[in-house]
Amino acid sequence: AQSVTQLDSQVPVFEEAPVELRCNYSSSVSVYLFWYVQYPNQGLQLLLKYLSGSTLVESINGFEAEFNKSQTSFHLRKPSVHISDTAEYFCAVRRNSGNTPLVFGKGTRLSVIA
Amino acid sequence: KAGVTQTPRYLIKTRGQQVTLSCSPISGHRSVSWYQQTPGQGLQFLFEYFSETQRNKGNFPGRFSGRQFSNSRSEMNVSTLELGDSALYLCASSLDRTGAEKLFFGSGTQLSVL
Repeated sequence: AQSVTQLDSQVPVFEEAPVELRCNYSSSVSVYLFWYVQYPNQGLQLLLKYLSGSTLVESINGFEAEFNKSQTSFHLRKPSVHISDTAEYFCAVRRNSGNTPLVFGKGTRLSVIA
Repeated sequence: KAGVTQTPRYLIKTRGQQVTLSCSPISGHRSVSWYQQTPGQGLQFLFEYFSETQRNKGNFPGRFSGRQFSNSRSEMNVSTLELGDSALYLCASSLDRTGAEKLFFGSGTQLSVL
């Protein structure tokens, strides 16, 4: 079975500073990897995903994540955060074949400080 | 295109009661998944339905059940409520089951058990 570990439950960061949210996964088979974001009082929405090919994937709002197979990681980064990035971020994994659900980590709460 | 709709938005019940939550997926989506979200535990998978068939079930007791109708709408039921069932219950739909597609989440039903 797949599992996800998000190493930080809370990350405070000053506005315009860089940030990295860490995610490690465990799986014996090939997987798809996702980052979802949940803004206050809203449902989750997809931020970016890795399916295959280039190991660096980007979102439209400046976030990027790099798939590292040897370290089984999929860390999320942004070079300069804004107040509006304050949200909870969830890393998720799903095997790329067969009949399995999407498994989420426990989330990282990003707080951007003005 | 309307998003995923969950009703009711809030529910207050007492221990021992039962509750039914409803989810209307995006038109054309045949897969519906349910998750339980609690602070510190993230999202825990409950079950997934595809074309009225339960395809996956998470590690929850039998008090938690669900079903999907021919129009893809889904309901989940929790019987004999316990205090620990207090949580945000999220429904998500997707177009198919390749595993690579993104999930579209509703805003959730906040269940409080007193």
